[in-house]
Amino acid sequence: DTAVSQTPKYLVTQMGNDKSIKCEQNLGHDTMYWYKQDSKKFLKIMFSYNNKELIINETVPNRFSPKSPDKAHLNLHINSLELGDSAVYFCASSARWIGGGKEDTQYFGPGTRLTVL
Amino acid sequence: EDQVTQSPEALRLQEGESSSLNCSYTVSGLRGLFWYRQDPGKGPEFLFTLYSAGEEKEKERLKATLTKKESFLHITAPKPEDSATYLCAVQAAGSSYKLIFGSGTRLLVRP
Repeated sequence: DTAVSQTPKYLVTQMGNDKSIKCEQNLGHDTMYWYKQDSKKFLKIMFSYNNKELIINETVPNRFSPKSPDKAHLNLHINSLELGDSAVYFCASSARWIGGGKEDTQYFGPGTRLTVL
Repeated sequence: EDQVTQSPEALRLQEGESSSLNCSYTVSGLRGLFWYRQDPGKGPEFLFTLYSAGEEKEKERLKATLTKKESFLHITAPKPEDSATYLCAVQAAGSSYKLIFGSGTRLLVRP
């Protein structure tokens, strides 16, 4: 049973193309995230959605557009791909509630390696 | 600015040789500190969450500790299967729950 899944695992495309990465979680979590891991293995937050509402948007070019059709899915669409977009993109999810407890551990998907030629 | 620094960048150990990994942080109000393990080609795998100075957590050969400035991941009698990159991340109060990651420590345990 995969908790956080992403498709595709590998994506090779030409500069200027538009592509999408899909993420699904079956943990019943409220919050989902997109992170980018560069060639130096640094993981950096891009976006976060809580119950389909955007709550974090970290200085990411507007060529990147996240979409959350429901709380179990968060997709990432990238327009006009550039060489510098090549990286591994990770989706993550966590549960959040206020009052009565907290569980904010983020669980990561397996990653999508994007290569822009 | 919130920041996380991990050291060493890489660590080679013989099987059974215990050691510690360091994670130093500066954050405007720590909400939580997280340790993850990442194997090549895979996503980070959650290990521990620490919330307050003095807290300790253990799992098999790993033990994580937390002070007001840093966290240590102690590895006791490591085995080759402990080889991985270990990532530390902090979550600042009022940060909308985003994680700020360090660059990781690549651990290699030789048989």
